[in-house]
Amino acid sequence: NAGVTQTPKFRILKIGQSMTLQCTQDMNHNYMYWYRQDPGMGLKLIYYSVGAGITDKGEVPNGYNVSRSTTEDFPLRLELAAPSQTSVYFCASSYSVAGGPYPSYNEQFFGPGTRLTVL
Amino acid sequence: GENVEQHPSTLSVQEGDSAVIKCTYSDSASNYFPWYKQELGKRPQLIIDIRSNVGEKKDQRIAVTLNKTAKHFSLHITETQPEDSAVYFCAVMRYGQNFVFGPGTRLSVLP
Repeated sequence: NAGVTQTPKFRILKIGQSMTLQCTQDMNHNYMYWYRQDPGMGLKLIYYSVGAGITDKGEVPNGYNVSRSTTEDFPLRLELAAPSQTSVYFCASSYSVAGGPYPSYNEQFFGPGTRLTVL
Repeated sequence: GENVEQHPSTLSVQEGDSAVIKCTYSDSASNYFPWYKQELGKRPQLIIDIRSNVGEKKDQRIAVTLNKTAKHFSLHITETQPEDSAVYFCAVMRYGQNFVFGPGTRLSVLP
């Protein structure tokens, strides 16, 4: 298994440009997430998905959009890039199952990250 | 929403000593508590996790303790080694919600 893969690894954008960050997982995980990590800071959730066709906003969704048409893919779209979006973007996936007082959670796997600079 | 605090923000220990990092959370319905290690320039990786029906879990030199009543959990690293130097993040999850991460602790193990 390749796990969680992300492309590209690095990208420089000019202000106002748009781009899509790709994320694919081959573990048949139902949950997928997009985080951003600013230098020296923690992880902030942008969007997440609990399954194909279902997405929801996280803590910092403004300026981003997502879609989840398949279990495997969860692309993140940046429209009208701004310097404030300079960050490292991590995609992650996990498998969670409801049931009883203690739902089953498995490890959240992270992709290698995309380092984005907006100038 | 959930609020996760993590202390200390930086921690320096001598090689061989123990390190303890504590996280507190606000949502009493949270029931999954993982710890991640992130080395410089790399992705976060799970090192240990605990569920709300367990009070303590150990894996070799690493252990996590959970106090549900007080709403805090701690990471314990014994016999620290230079390769333990990294940033450690705690996280909290409640089913149907999403992971909320702490701000991180930078651990330095001095030889």
